[in-house]
Formats: sequence, C-alpha cells, structure tokens
Amino acid sequence: GEDVEQSLFLSVREGDSSVINCTYTDSSSTYLYWYKQEPGAGLQLLTYIFSNMDMKQDQRLTVLLNKKDKHLSLRIADTQTGDSAIYFCALTPLGGATNKLIFGTGTLLAVQP
Amino acid sequence: GAGVSQSPSNKVTEKGKDVELRCDPISGHTALYWYRQSLGQGLEFLIYFQGNSAPDKSGLPSDRFSAERTGGSVSTLTIQRTQQEDSAVYLCASSLHQGSTEAFFGQGTRLTVV
Repeated sequence: GEDVEQSLFLSVREGDSSVINCTYTDSSSTYLYWYKQEPGAGLQLLTYIFSNMDMKQDQRLTVLLNKKDKHLSLRIADTQTGDSAIYFCALTPLGGATNKLIFGTGTLLAVQP
Repeated sequence: GAGVSQSPSNKVTEKGKDVELRCDPISGHTALYWYRQSLGQGLEFLIYFQGNSAPDKSGLPSDRFSAERTGGSVSTLTIQRTQQEDSAVYLCASSLHQGSTEAFFGQGTRLTVV
C-alpha cells in the first residue's frame, strides 16, 4: 500500500521560513493536501494541490510538488509562533473518494520566539 | 450546525465493553468519513459514507468495528468488546460530496480503554 513519510520534528526561529517535507510511494495520487493540527484540536485544511500542478502559492504558504521524485513540500514564509503545530501531508489515491485520505506520519513544527 | 460535532469528547471504558461514538456532520454534507489517530498507527482511514450508497468499510480494522449513518446525517461508530489497542482519538469529517476537495474535521473523541 501507499507509504507516506515525513520527518518528525522541525524547529525554526520566528520570522524564518519553514520547509516541511513529505515523500510518498504511489505516483497515482490525484490530490495532495497539507493539514495542520494544533494541540487538542481536530485537523484544519491549509492548502492542497492537484497532481498536474508543480507549485501553488497561497499567502505565506507555498506548496511544491515533484512528481518524478514523489516529493511534496510546504514552505511557510515569515513563520510565527502561532504556526507551531503538527503538520500532516495527505494523499487521495486514484479512484477513491477525494477525502478518503492516506496521511503522512506528521511533522511537529516548533517556532522559537 | 456551524461545524462537525463529535460526542463525547472523551470516553474512558473498561476492556470488553461496547462503546458508541457520535458524529454530527455539517448540514447538507453528503459525504462523511471516520478516521482514527493513534500513537502506533498514526492517522488512518476507517470508513466513509456517501449519500445512500453502500459505505466503504475498507479501513475498519476488525469486525468489532461498525458504523451506521441514519437519515443521511448523524453517524455512529460502534466498537464492540473494546481492547486496549482501540485507545485512540476518533475523528469524523464531512464534505459536501465525495468529490469535494475540502473536508471539515471535528474535534475528535478521545477513547481510552482501561
């Protein structure tokens, strides 16, 4: 089955850029998502990219998709302490319902003031 | 309602007992999903409902797990004869339909089996 991997932890200083990476094994995914989970909260959709795109920018967020290397990244510009959370990438397998998602292992982002 | 509502927010149960977890999706959303978040397995898909179609149960880990959705709205996830490995946060999400790009998640039910 699909395997989606993320690094466990990332620490940055406030004002710096953060880059969270995700690698996956199945190249047939249709949508690729980034979700944010704050302590004790559910999941919040941050952004998504369709598989025929290479890049998507949404305010401070930039998503890059490298289909050849099966690599997805999320860049957060001007990282703030409120960005501290766990970030999950998630994929929609081909042929499935759009939100029948396979999630990555999650990256804990810690923003130091 | 304004968002996806799950109840209870916390549930402690004894091993071997049955539990029911409830999800109220956003009004008008026809697709409803259940996920489980646990330390050992991460976030994993359990089951989804789309309208009146037969549910996709492919993620249910054992036959102790079942779910239903009455009247196309509220859903109940039932775990029979709970085991300690069932301890997790159970998340529900809904979307307008199965092709919608955005799903909205509830706060989850934290289940602890002692």
